[in-house]
Amino acid sequence: TQLLEQSPQFLSIQEGENLTVYCNSSSVFSSLQWYRQEPGEGPVLLVTVVTGGEVKKLKRLTFQFGDARKDSSLHITAAQPGDTGLYLCAGSGAGSYQLTFGKGTKLSVIP
Amino acid sequence: ETGVTQTPRHLVMGMTNKKSLKCEQHLGHNAMYWYKQSAKKPLELMFVYNFKEQTENNSVPSRFSPECPNSSHLFLHLHTLQPEDSALYLCASSQDGGRRAGYTFGSGTRLTVV
Repeated sequence: TQLLEQSPQFLSIQEGENLTVYCNSSSVFSSLQWYRQEPGEGPVLLVTVVTGGEVKKLKRLTFQFGDARKDSSLHITAAQPGDTGLYLCAGSGAGSYQLTFGKGTKLSVIP
Repeated sequence: ETGVTQTPRHLVMGMTNKKSLKCEQHLGHNAMYWYKQSAKKPLELMFVYNFKEQTENNSVPSRFSPECPNSSHLFLHLHTLQPEDSALYLCASSQDGGRRAGYTFGSGTRLTVV
């Protein structure tokens, strides 16, 4: 069974601060995705990374896939209240037709 | 309509009731999923359908019964549920397992069993 551990579980920061959340596994994934879920809604895909060492940027969000494709990080610069939500990572294993989700990091950005 | 649509958004039911959750996607995806999301627990995969065929039943109790009449529609029939079944039930769809384009989720049905 492939598991994804996310840390921290909860994070509360002031507007304008930077933060990094992590997604780690002992398994290799063929691709890894990050989702954001707002209260009362379903998760929404932010990015997919597929190559070891890959870095993708989405405005103030920077996603990195580990060289060995076992871990990933999400860095947010100058966090804003609109970034508040549950951030989920999800991995796709080779030959698998479904994603494995982590438990998520619940982020609160205080104005 | 675009995306994944789930109805109802909220449902309160007694333990002896029978109800159904509905999910509809107009994205042309070939796979659909039911997930359960409870407080303090990760997303729990319940059922997977590929091309209308059930390919995964993740040890879900028989009081949950899925139905996929075609590749665009998915139902979850509920019967004699327990209070611990109260949760957010999410439907998702994907093309080819979602490896590149990911899953598209609906907004969920918030279920409360009383």
